[in-house]
Amino acid sequence: DAKTTQPTSMDCAEGRAANLPCNHSTISGNEYVYWYRQIHSQGPQYIIHGLKNNETNEMASLIITEDRKSSTLILPHATLRDTAVYYCIVYGGNEKLTFGTGTRLTIIP
Amino acid sequence: NAGVTQTPKFQVLKTGQSMTLQCAQDMNHEYMSWYRQDPGMGLRLIHYSVGAGITDQGEVPNGYNVSRSTTEDFPLRLLSAAPSQTSVYFCASSYSRLAGPKNIQYFGAGTRLSVL
Repeated sequence: DAKTTQPTSMDCAEGRAANLPCNHSTISGNEYVYWYRQIHSQGPQYIIHGLKNNETNEMASLIITEDRKSSTLILPHATLRDTAVYYCIVYGGNEKLTFGTGTRLTIIP
Repeated sequence: NAGVTQTPKFQVLKTGQSMTLQCAQDMNHEYMSWYRQDPGMGLRLIHYSVGAGITDQGEVPNGYNVSRSTTEDFPLRLLSAAPSQTSVYFCASSYSRLAGPKNIQYFGAGTRLSVL
């Protein structure tokens, strides 16, 4: 059973904030939320991760709901180079690290 | 640092041939893994290793062998290639399998394999 649910695809206008949702209603207390992205056919690239608190780095912000059952990745000012497949992963350390099919984000000029 | 290096970048095999996909990392990472990605699909875990001498199966291990004799290298062997193994293969590594910042995965550029 998939640990996360993401929309198959999304569009966002260039320069606007891209908000990518992820549902992980069965997340356990010790499991982290990770986000990666894959541009075209390159190897996936790490973006951000979090446990309970909201996190921000130079690439994005991660908002985790208080009950931890969902999260949102925010790209504050999307550019054409942000067009990619975005993967939301839940991982606790004792299981196999698996990727789902992700969300295909298209930035529209 | 080179990070995660995969060779070759491209390979064409005939059905029944064997080959080894190479993966090396220079970050002293304990955890290494192999994924395959079919067109339009996500990544599926083939095998992984939590340290030298220790390997385990992922979601789709059939038809593949791995070994981990050193921390740096984690080769993937196709024993008898089949057309169903046509895919893009990615190797990844992280400092540890423990969840948190030490589990940030670094990926190689991939090996594109076609089996005719």
